[in-house]
Amino acid sequence: GQQVMQIPQYQHVQEGEDFTTYCNSSTTLSNIQWYKQRPGGHPVFLIQLVKSGEVKKQKRLTFQFGEAKKNSSLHITATQTTDVGTYFCLHQGAQKLVFGQGTRLTINP
Amino acid sequence: DTEVTQTPKHLVMGMTNKKSLKCEQHMGHRAMYWYKQKAKKPPELMFVYSYEKLSINESVPSRFSPECPNSSLLNLHLHALQPEDSALYLCASSQGGGRTYNEQFFGPGTRLTVL
Repeated sequence: GQQVMQIPQYQHVQEGEDFTTYCNSSTTLSNIQWYKQRPGGHPVFLIQLVKSGEVKKQKRLTFQFGEAKKNSSLHITATQTTDVGTYFCLHQGAQKLVFGQGTRLTINP
Repeated sequence: DTEVTQTPKHLVMGMTNKKSLKCEQHMGHRAMYWYKQKAKKPPELMFVYSYEKLSINESVPSRFSPECPNSSLLNLHLHALQPEDSALYLCASSQGGGRTYNEQFFGPGTRLTVL
């Protein structure tokens, strides 16, 4: 069956440092979405990647979809305290929708 | 209006009770979802309605019964729940449906406690 691993599980950084989370799949994905969930909040959509090798940027956030459509990454440059939260990938394959385990980001101001 | 609303915000129920969770959106979305989220875990998909028809049921126990009365409303009927069903229940909606799932808008969730 479809398996996706998201790493790391936790990341603690100093404010201003960079942060990256990865999602890796054993099978080809139709698309991948990224969400952010603040503590006590609900998931909020960030981006959807569909094309092989796609790269999208949103200010300090860079999203990539691998050439084989089996992996994806979210990179945050120069983190700020407002970036605190858990980042999830949501992948769709074989009509199943599955969230990755999430990477919980904490920041030391 | 880009908001998904859920009621109630909190619910405490006994194992013999029957209750319902409600979700509403007015964005014209035709796909609606129920997720269950335990603490420090990702949301787990329970049900998907596409054009008011149940399109995905992720082998959810029958004590959870979804209902989509119209394109704006989604209910989750609860009966004879177990304490391990205590969790945050999230509703979401998205445009379209069918085989491709687009950006999902999540509601704030209902925090359910089963005693």
